[in-house]
Amino acid sequence: DAKTTQPPSMDCAEGRAANLPCNHSTISGNEYVYWYRQIHSQGPQYIIHGLKNNETNEMASLIITEDRKSSTLILPHATLRDTAVYYCIVETNTGNQFYFGTGTSLTVIP
Amino acid sequence: GAVVSQHPSWVICKSGTSVKIECRSLDFQATTMFWYRQFPKQSLMLMATSNEGSKATYEQGVEKDKFLINHASLTLSTLTVTSAHPEDSSFYICSAIDAALGWSYTFGSGTRLTVV
Repeated sequence: DAKTTQPPSMDCAEGRAANLPCNHSTISGNEYVYWYRQIHSQGPQYIIHGLKNNETNEMASLIITEDRKSSTLILPHATLRDTAVYYCIVETNTGNQFYFGTGTSLTVIP
Repeated sequence: GAVVSQHPSWVICKSGTSVKIECRSLDFQATTMFWYRQFPKQSLMLMATSNEGSKATYEQGVEKDKFLINHASLTLSTLTVTSAHPEDSSFYICSAIDAALGWSYTFGSGTRLTVV
């Protein structure tokens, strides 16, 4: 079962930062947090992942709280093409499975 | 980067027939592959975990005799939907882990199955 909860939907103005929260209060010490996004009728696309430290790549930044019970994905300058469903996933430490939660549907508004 | 190719991208079949979906890792070896199903406006649901050379592990509630999974090589896994019915119509997606990197989960582009 999914170990994450996310708000069902969010709006963001084009050019502004999009901050997508995720709660994973039951995460275990060695479980990673992954973020993927899915544009309609396509396979999920990898964004970023982390364990305990904040991470940044060319797509986004990932902020993980010190207690690791929540995280925030930051898209620094949202564009219309960032409109998608964003999934926060905690990888199981037993079989490496991903159990998807409901995700957040992000709409970037012109 | 790692690429997973899924084929076909869409298929229409008659009720009672079987359909095979292929998932290939193009530029890496995938020791583990996963199969998901996604109904409209819903999230991805994990169906099974497939390890190369061994039987797949199915999630609770997924019929292993209906959804046959074969992972005979490090670059290919197949999902066969047997005796398909309209309620099997869905979006099927595979993903694969890059054995060298360990963490790199790459998803295929999905297969839209419509059973008529």
